[in-house]
Amino acid sequence: KAGVTQTPRYLIKTRGQQVTLSCSPISGHRSVSWYQQTPGQGLQFLFEYFSETQRNKGNFPGRFSGRQFSNSRSEMNVSTLELGDSALYLCASSLEVGNPQHFGDGTRLSIL
Amino acid sequence: SQKIEQNSEALNIQEGKTATLTCNYTNYSPAYLQWYRQDPGRGPVFLLLIRENEKEKRKERLKVTFDTTLKQSLFHITASQPADSATYLCALDRQGGKLIFGQGTELSVKP
Repeated sequence: KAGVTQTPRYLIKTRGQQVTLSCSPISGHRSVSWYQQTPGQGLQFLFEYFSETQRNKGNFPGRFSGRQFSNSRSEMNVSTLELGDSALYLCASSLEVGNPQHFGDGTRLSIL
Repeated sequence: SQKIEQNSEALNIQEGKTATLTCNYTNYSPAYLQWYRQDPGRGPVFLLLIRENEKEKRKERLKVTFDTTLKQSLFHITASQPADSATYLCALDRQGGKLIFGQGTELSVKP
């Protein structure tokens, strides 16, 4: 069974630009969550989608958004990039709430 | 506000010993608690999940306990090996689908 796939693995952008990150969950998993990981703040929850609906949201500004498609694939978008958005963005999928989450290896985003 | 603390940022032990990692939380009533392992440059990997009505869970050399009165979980690795060296993260969830992670403990097992 293929694991969670995130693309791209690395991305370099400049301030003010926007970026879209992609996540393909494990086949059959309907819940997809996104996290931001930085050395100072650790792993922080961004949002969670289930059957194309956002069910949970973390404490991030509206510049961070996401969506889920009917095949459970998910994208997250960050607009008007700031230097502080430099981080490892992780996607995780699970069968349902209360089940273990399976993480991809992330997209490393660097803002210049 | 909700807070999760893992006992230390780094833990160094000798091969063959038991590693014990601590996860304490405040202002939170999790329905379940999970432990993950993360290697440099990789995403976290799920290890164990324990629910609020369970006291202990085991899997091979791993054991986790959950004390909702003390608001604490202990994670044990017995007969530790250098390959167990990694960062270990605890994570809590109450409302479903919103995992809150601790900062992690970096474990180093020396041969």
